Amino acid sequence: DAKTTQPNSMESNEEEPVHLPCNHSTISGTDYIHWYRQLPSQGPEYVIHGLTSNVNNRMASLAIAEDRKSSTLILHRATLRDAAVYYCILRDVKTSYDKVIFGPGTSLSVIP
Amino acid sequence: GAVVSQHPSRVICKSGTSVKIECRSLDFQATTMFWYRQFPKQSLMLMATSNEGSKATYEQGVEKDKFLINHASLTLSTLTVTSAHPEDSSFYICSVVRGGRNTEAFFGQGTRLTVV
Repeated sequence: DAKTTQPNSMESNEEEPVHLPCNHSTISGTDYIHWYRQLPSQGPEYVIHGLTSNVNNRMASLAIAEDRKSSTLILHRATLRDAAVYYCILRDVKTSYDKVIFGPGTSLSVIP
Repeated sequence: GAVVSQHPSRVICKSGTSVKIECRSLDFQATTMFWYRQFPKQSLMLMATSNEGSKATYEQGVEKDKFLINHASLTLSTLTVTSAHPEDSSFYICSVVRGGRNTEAFFGQGTRLTVV
């Protein structure tokens, strides 16, 4: 699986937008960009994924650079419940057989 | 609602005993499930791929005789930690994927194993 790089930690004030960056300079044309998050003492949960175009859902938005070498997860209004570790993952089922391989992720703290 | 159910959520066992953890796919049939282990303040580490009706595929460095995986049906995979030791204490998480890189993975709520 292609490697991703994320900051170890970030802080945000409550009710402000949060932009979580992810670099994936070795991404291949068939890799999908997935984001998951893990709240304390829970299993990870899916946030969003995309291939080339920006994506929006009820949880977040995903902005993908034109060259696809980076992406940004956007939480529009951070709440205390958004404090979690966020993982940016590339998935190419041709080589990974549906595996999801986790990197260290970004630990997001939300300040009241 | 939950797509994956994992049981138990918490277990304490004595050193030398075995512990079984169940993972159920509630929403769809899963020919493949995945097992992860997570130590405190670390990321998830993939242990093995559970294949329905055949042997599990273990990641490098994971002892297959220590972590027995059985995927007897399309909705149930079990992980048995045999002859548990305190160093096996960890957070174990299972996952299912519908299939394909354009689909999301679903995770169980995790099992906190403490070996005393």
